[in-house]
Amino acid sequence: QVQLVESGGGLVKPGGSLRLSCAASGFTFNDYFMTWIRQAPGKGLEWVAFISSDSGLTNYADSVKGRFTISRDNDKKSLYLEMNSLRVDDTAVYYCARSEDYGENDYWGQGTLVTVSS
Amino acid sequence: DIQMTQSPSSLSASVGDRVTITCRASQSIGTYLNWYQQKPGKAPKLLIYAASNLQSGVPSHFRGSGSGTDFTLTITSLQPEDFATYSCQQSYITPYTFGQGTKLAIK
Repeated sequence: QVQLVESGGGLVKPGGSLRLSCAASGFTFNDYFMTWIRQAPGKGLEWVAFISSDSGLTNYADSVKGRFTISRDNDKKSLYLEMNSLRVDDTAVYYCARSEDYGENDYWGQGTLVTVSS
Repeated sequence: DIQMTQSPSSLSASVGDRVTITCRASQSIGTYLNWYQQKPGKAPKLLIYAASNLQSGVPSHFRGSGSGTDFTLTITSLQPEDFATYSCQQSYITPYTFGQGTKLAIK
């Protein structure tokens, strides 16, 4: 069965950095685009970034462009999100999700909480 | 960016009711519209993709319709497990923006 497991969240000070990981299993990882989506406490969902199956294409929300970097290692079946210059408003649960042909996200991880606070 | 506006933001209904949630895009997105269900403390679950296609395993009392800028999620005969928050998402142009969500509560 498809499984996505995020890790790497935690408490970080404003201006700090954090690297999130997402371990995939149960499907052919290198066949799929992958996406990071976040949800601030009590708020709606916000699409953060996606990456193509071969890492040749990436795209970011304006709110994170230049600060966050999405990457993947197909051999390790893992997705990453490098987050730099973190701000208080980056506080959220971060989900990794598999992306299907129409852009829909059909499988999601359980999420990892990132808290940016002094 | 394409803005997605859902209405209502919240509603209450009873088991067995028929409920309709609408989602409007700020520009035409064809049928690149997806619906998700989310329960407290859980990850979202895909219900409908490409405006009207039921995701595998999703009960048939969920229906999606629409194209262009106006879309609808209809839940016929509400079940106890359907009380949750529902969000639409456009996947036509990046960033793939979401609506603000509609919280469906028990009356």
